[in-house]
Amino acid sequence: GENVEQHPSTLSVQEGDSAVIKCTYSDSASNYFPWYKQELGKGPQLIIDIRSNVGEKKDQRIAVTLNKTAKHFSLHITETQPEDSAVYFCAASGTDSSYKLIFGSGTRLLVRP
Amino acid sequence: DTGVSQNPRHKITKRGQNVTFRCDPISEHNRLYWYRQTLGQGPEFLTYFQNEAQLEKSRLLSDRFSAERPKGSFSTLEIQRTEQGDSAMYLCASRTGSLDNSPLHFGNGTRLTVT
Repeated sequence: GENVEQHPSTLSVQEGDSAVIKCTYSDSASNYFPWYKQELGKGPQLIIDIRSNVGEKKDQRIAVTLNKTAKHFSLHITETQPEDSAVYFCAASGTDSSYKLIFGSGTRLLVRP
Repeated sequence: DTGVSQNPRHKITKRGQNVTFRCDPISEHNRLYWYRQTLGQGPEFLTYFQNEAQLEKSRLLSDRFSAERPKGSFSTLEIQRTEQGDSAMYLCASRTGSLDNSPLHFGNGTRLTVT
């Protein structure tokens, strides 16, 4: 089955700097890669997703890149703000009958004012 | 609020008791998922419904766990004879469609503490 690894587990950046979180997946059949932001006491919130027919997607300060050959995908946050502080999860999904998401172990991002 | 709704938000129970959680998905979302999340980890898949049919169950879902979605709308997750290892956040998620990866939306979860 699919396995998703995520790095780093914690990331501390100065406000205004960029943050990059990286994930690798094992199943070459996976074709959908969402990213979620989870704040304390809340459920994961979808912030951006990318499909395997696209190499990059951007939404304001957030971008995601996908390298299908290397089975890597990354989240890039530019001009970080204190409110970006949260736990971020990557996930992957293939075409099995449930289209279930397999999640990475998360990255705790701290943006220092 | 038109998001995924979960109740209760918190549940404290003694070992050996039964508990039941409820999930109301986004209206017209025919696919519903339950996940479990322990501290410092990502959500782990438990089970999946398409309409009222439970189509997949994880090996994590022991025989003490049962989930239902009787009318294809809300869903319940019951844990019988709770154990301390069941302490976790139980997340429900829903999505539209049937044969694709449409966006999956999560509720705010039910945090279970077994004492």
